[in-house]
Amino acid sequence: QQPVQSPQAVILREGEDAVINCSSSKALYSVHWYRQKHGEAPVFLMILLKGGEQMRHEKISASFNEKKQQSSLYLTASQLSYSGTYFCGTETQPKTGQNFVFGPGTRLSVLP
Amino acid sequence: DVKVTQSSRYLVKRTGEKVFLECVQDMDHENMFWYRQDPGLGLRLIYFSYDVKMKEKGDIPEGYSVSREKKERFSLILESASTNQTSMYLCASRPLGGSSYNEQFFGPGTRLTVL
Repeated sequence: QQPVQSPQAVILREGEDAVINCSSSKALYSVHWYRQKHGEAPVFLMILLKGGEQMRHEKISASFNEKKQQSSLYLTASQLSYSGTYFCGTETQPKTGQNFVFGPGTRLSVLP
Repeated sequence: DVKVTQSSRYLVKRTGEKVFLECVQDMDHENMFWYRQDPGLGLRLIYFSYDVKMKEKGDIPEGYSVSREKKERFSLILESASTNQTSMYLCASRPLGGSSYNEQFFGPGTRLTVL
């Protein structure tokens, strides 16, 4: 079952902060975050593992609440280069591919 | 750098044609994936392969088949293309171990239009 992402879209001014949420109805082993810029392939940002620590990629960080099966992506002091669509992907078991499911995506636009 | 290549960036086919989409990765990854990407729906898994000649259906396998005769190559086949298969198709690979084992590496995508 596809995870739910919110919001669907967000528009920011450069320097502002944003939070993107990803939630699942299933017990998760991991949550992955990818960013896709217009016309390009998705690129891996980070992974949150069950029982693991909060992760960070440049000024982007993420957390995983195992009790709620929810992950949040925090974009701090947004830059123009952060624009794109952010996808979360979830796994219920490690090291298999079939149970990996992407969310519908959140479109982020950062304006000057 | 890991490289995943897809045979075409853009493809136009007619209804009923047999269509082959090819994907090649150069990092000896065990897992390979075919996704379909449509606006508002994200990336939906069509098929997954965890080894040569091994495949598993994803969420939307109807109308598609796959072939993996060699480890580096994973092909998606539309036996009889239909207009509702017009979409962006993305291939990805992923290692089973190593420091980057969690990451999927994507190809540039093939935008298929079926007329």
